[in-house]
Amino acid sequence: DTGVSQDPRHKITKRGQNVTFRCDPISEHNRLYWYRQTLGQGPEFLTYFQNEAQLEKSRLLSDRFSAERPKGSFSTLEIQRTEQGDSAMYLCASSLEFSGVLLYNEQFFGPGTRLTVL
Amino acid sequence: AQRVTQPEKLLSVFKGAPVELKCNYSYSGSPELFWYVQYSRQRLQLLLRHISRESIKGFTADLNKGETSFHLKKPFAQEEDSAMYYCALTRSYSGAGSYQLTFGKGTKLSVIP
Repeated sequence: DTGVSQDPRHKITKRGQNVTFRCDPISEHNRLYWYRQTLGQGPEFLTYFQNEAQLEKSRLLSDRFSAERPKGSFSTLEIQRTEQGDSAMYLCASSLEFSGVLLYNEQFFGPGTRLTVL
Repeated sequence: AQRVTQPEKLLSVFKGAPVELKCNYSYSGSPELFWYVQYSRQRLQLLLRHISRESIKGFTADLNKGETSFHLKKPFAQEEDSAMYYCALTRSYSGAGSYQLTFGKGTKLSVIP
């Protein structure tokens, strides 16, 4: 499978614990996005990487959240001191920027990591 | 603030009937509009985008800037069209920077045999 992969697919944790999710984008994709989706809502943007640089963060990303993309390849999203409100599906997407107008912004999504905080 | 509104949470149609999934948006400037689809137990995937003006799986969507709408249409629904559909927008391409998607809440389409 050459698509975006995420690990784990499901995570159950107790309130106050730390969790870390991993995203492997499509190889050669230089853009990587994290989204969060809660029940009955569409995905909401969390943060964006261009290669290894984290260039934008949503106000949804509190200081308990941190994301990295070392070497511009895979990315991790860590949530510290989890709260029940963090329960959601965390989606990763990647895209490739090039000069062609038609295809520049197709984001390819991973299967998501479903987090349940008890 | 940018916003995407999908007024219907659930839309049920009979097989062979026409389908229209509504999408309205609010954006200062000229956005790029997309429809994403999520079939049962599958990941979110791009269905179509307005700049390519293409028909995918019989679906089309026309951007109406006057009404700020981007409704998704198909003349004859098929059972395999049953899925969750999300309308989304991002800023028009202009080089560097983030192009995060702003999604609507989605419409669940159910095609009745």
